[in-house]
Amino acid sequence: DTAVSQTPKYLVTQMGNDKSIKCEQNLGHDTMYWYKQDSKKFLKIMFSYNNKELIINETVPNRFSPKSPDKAHLNLHINSLELGDSAVYFCASCPTLAGANVLTFGAGSRLTVL
Amino acid sequence: DQQVKQNSPSLSVQEGRISILNCDYTNSMFDYFLWYKKYPAEGPTFLISISSIKDKNEDGRFTVFLNKSAKHLSLHIVPSQPGDSAVYFCAASGSNYQLIWGAGTKLIIKP
Repeated sequence: DTAVSQTPKYLVTQMGNDKSIKCEQNLGHDTMYWYKQDSKKFLKIMFSYNNKELIINETVPNRFSPKSPDKAHLNLHINSLELGDSAVYFCASCPTLAGANVLTFGAGSRLTVL
Repeated sequence: DQQVKQNSPSLSVQEGRISILNCDYTNSMFDYFLWYKKYPAEGPTFLISISSIKDKNEDGRFTVFLNKSAKHLSLHIVPSQPGDSAVYFCAASGSNYQLIWGAGTKLIIKP
């Protein structure tokens, strides 16, 4: 039973399209994150939600819109996809915002924009 | 501006020997440091952490050392096993609890 699950695992799409990546955690954690792993392999935080409330919103284009219908889910919607959006996107969760930063990650969603 | 640096993209070590992975940071306000391990097609998994009030933390074969004056930490794995082959990420956080990540070091354990 996967603790943090992301779908889809792979996504290939054309420039200009709109796509979504879903994330669910069954750990009962309060805090969820979206990270982007770029071509240089750095993991960069995009968004953080705590109990469905947006806490961290890094300098991400507003084409990216996270949605948290409940604290177990954090979905990522991307409008007007660009080539530079190609990356691996990781969802993660941790028990509380002021925790020890021990995150549980999903397996990642590899997005390829053609 | 890389606040957390892992200068070795890869490291190859003989099975049974010690693996030493290094990490440097620039922000003196960081007070908590973590190592994560990542296998291909999986997300990173937490390995070991250390608070800035300590200089060493040990968990089985894994030991993390922190040198605050040098702003340097290292992860020692001894003895190294084939299953340790993975990418290892160093991460640091400060009062805002936001993790800043290094680029990772790929560890290859040779049989």
